[in-house]
Amino acid sequence: GQQLNQSPQSMFIQEGEDVSMNCTSSSIFNTWLWYKQEPGEGPVLLIALYKAGELTSNGRLTAQFGITRKDSFLNISASIPSDVGIYFCAGQLGSGGSNYKLTFGKGTLLTVNP
Amino acid sequence: EAEVAQSPRYKITEKSQAVAFWCDPISGHATLYWYRQILGQGPELLVQFQDESVVDDSQLPKDRFSAERLKGVDSTLKIQPAELGDSAMYLCASSATGELFFGEGSRLTVL
Repeated sequence: GQQLNQSPQSMFIQEGEDVSMNCTSSSIFNTWLWYKQEPGEGPVLLIALYKAGELTSNGRLTAQFGITRKDSFLNISASIPSDVGIYFCAGQLGSGGSNYKLTFGKGTLLTVNP
Repeated sequence: EAEVAQSPRYKITEKSQAVAFWCDPISGHATLYWYRQILGQGPELLVQFQDESVVDDSQLPKDRFSAERLKGVDSTLKIQPAELGDSAMYLCASSATGELFFGEGSRLTVL
């Protein structure tokens, strides 16, 4: 099955710094999604990307769908303490039936030092 | 804002016991998923429903796990008998157009 490699595994940064994380796949996805998960909670959708090359922003978050459709990155600008959590990338083959299921990366643990 | 509801939030059980989790998806979402998340890992799909029908249960350990969505709305995931390795977060998600929305999860600890 598909494998997603997410990096880095963890980051420890100072408040105000920018953050970048990425995800690569051994095969093509038609949709990329980025989720944030806080301890003891379920993942929360941050950004969804639907087209190769697409660049989408959500506040201080920016994500891009790679041209090859095998990668995506997420940037967080001017980090704040509440950005702490685990960020997951997830790939989706497409629409309809079992193609909707998500394959997740292993996550990037972000710690922000005030 | 509509949410996916799950219960219980936490469950502690002894191995060989039966355990069940319940999920109520966002109203109108035809697709429902059960994912298992082991500590330090990303979620992995156990079973996907489209209305009341199973679309994908290829990763569901069918000797001990079962899932149903009888009326195409809420769903139950059962484990019998529970094993130590089943300790994990069990996440339910629903979708209408492909974007998955997750519940808060049910944390299972098997002693």
